[in-house]
Amino acid sequence: DGGITQSPKYLFRKEGQNVTLSCEQNLNHDAMYWYRQDPGQGLRLIYYSQIVNDFQKGDIAEGYSVSREKKESFPLTVTSAQKNPTAFYLCASLTSLAGANEQFFGPGTRLTVL
Amino acid sequence: AQKVTQAQTEISVVEKEDVTLDCVYETRDTTYYLFWYKQPPSGELVFLIRRNSFDEQNEISGRYSWNFQKSTSSFNFTITASQVVDSAVYFCALSGGSGGSYIPTFGRGTSLIVHP
Repeated sequence: DGGITQSPKYLFRKEGQNVTLSCEQNLNHDAMYWYRQDPGQGLRLIYYSQIVNDFQKGDIAEGYSVSREKKESFPLTVTSAQKNPTAFYLCASLTSLAGANEQFFGPGTRLTVL
Repeated sequence: AQKVTQAQTEISVVEKEDVTLDCVYETRDTTYYLFWYKQPPSGELVFLIRRNSFDEQNEISGRYSWNFQKSTSSFNFTITASQVVDSAVYFCALSGGSGGSYIPTFGRGTSLIVHP
């Protein structure tokens, strides 16, 4: 079955640690996205990538980093510079750059800083 | 700049009631696309519908219906005879058709609670 997988589902981090969230898609989609969701805040864009080896900052990129070495993979690293990382993180993909298509979302990773 | 407003933060209804979720948008694009997504408690957003700016025909899918009105920049979503399984957060989203990066703008979401 085609889709997006995110791992782990739950992640606990101590303050000062970097953690990496995995996102893999087998939909052959060009574009991939990372969103952060906080209660009552909707979805806020962290980073996005339209093509392999290229990515752009979203609205809240500070304290995060990404890579896009393969078309199917777009991992997100939450660094110690992110002051309030506890949130729900969603990865999404899109078949093409045209605005007519809907995004496909993964099941999310809930990150908690202890 | 694009903007999507979902003024209703939370709606609570009793099963079998009809409920309408409001979505108002702002854009300067003449070609644009509107979407609704459902986020159940499991967390994954599920696509419900897409509508382009040239198609104002309303759509019905089972108990779901959508009313797109360009004159009021609204794309409202109605659930008829609501059920407990409809309990979720619903997001309205907008993307432009002017080319370049596809970065959709999401509303803040409306949490729908359907009580048995």
